[in-house]
Amino acid sequence: DIQMTQSPSSLSASVGDTVTITCRASQDINNYLNWYQHRPGEAPKVLIYATSSLQSGVPSRFSGGGSGTDFTLTIDSLQPEDFATYYCQQSYRIITFGQGTRLEIK
Amino acid sequence: EVQLVESGGGLVQPGGSLRLSCAASGFTFSSYDMHWIRQVTRKGLEGVSAIVGAGDTYYSDSVKGRFTTSRDNARNSVYLQLNSLRAEDTGVYYCARARSSSTNYFYYMDVWGKGTTVTVSS
Repeated sequence: DIQMTQSPSSLSASVGDTVTITCRASQDINNYLNWYQHRPGEAPKVLIYATSSLQSGVPSRFSGGGSGTDFTLTIDSLQPEDFATYYCQQSYRIITFGQGTRLEIK
Repeated sequence: EVQLVESGGGLVQPGGSLRLSCAASGFTFSSYDMHWIRQVTRKGLEGVSAIVGAGDTYYSDSVKGRFTTSRDNARNSVYLQLNSLRAEDTGVYYCARARSSSTNYFYYMDVWGKGTTVTVSS
């Protein structure tokens, strides 16, 4: 299986800050990299697919980048509703997720 | 409205069995790969199983040989049979639809159910 390693595992930030989460795959995943937001008690929600494509309805303050094995999710100007857990996922082979990054209010 | 609704979760003793169901509506169910994804207690998301294309199935190593996924396109439903359950299988189980394109190189879960909770405890 392809292993996905996210960092940091947790992050404290304030409303209005910009944050970046990184994700590394154990092999080249040909940009089949997706990002999800998961709030407690809700279903996960896709933010970014195919490394950098913004899912319909997702605010433009979310952006993704990277290639090969290294990828990033950036959230500009954090809003209160953005405090959640974020997961990367590779879908190049049988899907696997990173361990998650918990974004908390400072 | 595109929707997935899971059911069948509950409390079961170690070694027991459960059958989860996921009912789809609002889209052409047979055209999509379907996945079961779980969040076990205090841990992250884990892909449990997938049923793709003409019916090929895939499982995570942690459930291989114990869980079985199937689908009934006439009933617009996907199922997950959980056998030989362990305490570490406790968590919320989601079904999810995969949106994909081989020409535009993407594959991701665009629709999720709200989940059903499985608790394995004596």
